[in-house]
Amino acid sequence: AQSVTQPDIHITVSEGASLELRCNYSYGATPYLFWYVQSPGQGLQLLLKYFSGDTLVQGIKGFEAEFKRSQSSFNLRKPSVHWSDAAEYFCAVAAGGSQGNLIFGKGTKLSVKP
Amino acid sequence: EAGVAQSPRYKIIEKRQSVAFWCNPISGHATLYWYQQILGQGPKLLIQFQNNGVVDDSQLPKDRFSAERLKGVDSTLKIQPAKLEDSAVYLCASSPRTPEDTQYFGPGTRLTVL
Repeated sequence: AQSVTQPDIHITVSEGASLELRCNYSYGATPYLFWYVQSPGQGLQLLLKYFSGDTLVQGIKGFEAEFKRSQSSFNLRKPSVHWSDAAEYFCAVAAGGSQGNLIFGKGTKLSVKP
Repeated sequence: EAGVAQSPRYKIIEKRQSVAFWCNPISGHATLYWYQQILGQGPKLLIQFQNNGVVDDSQLPKDRFSAERLKGVDSTLKIQPAKLEDSAVYLCASSPRTPEDTQYFGPGTRLTVL
């Protein structure tokens, strides 16, 4: 069965520092992969997605993610974190080539120190 | 462009009572999703509509949950009777046409069952 693992429940970084959030997936075929962000009281917002092609994907708000098939990973990165990036981040995989059946990880909460 | 609207934003009920949530997707979006997000977990798909037809309801607890999307626009999700474990945020999302299109999420309805 498809699954997504986000090993870090909570991460704290200093403002201006770099960030990497980990995501590992389990899926037999080529996955469709996503990163969403959820701010308190807000709905989920798509940061970026990978369907095929270049394994380094650029997203909104300065985020990027790299698909590594050999490691079954899709880690999210940002070179310099801003205080407004504090939120919860979810990695998701779509089964069967369709975005309809999105399977989410449990999320990583990001705190930013001034 | 207006986003996905949901109401109410918060609801508190006692177990065995019934409750209904409403979702108005982005205008013109054919696909509508309901997700359940339990505290500390990622969202889990409950049901997916394409226009007014059900595409996937495999994870919907049909003994107590029901959903409809009349006329292929607004949707309601009902729980009857509610259990303590139904306490969660219920998220509605919509996408333009095909399942491969980006899903846009509403702010969610936070349900507390006492």
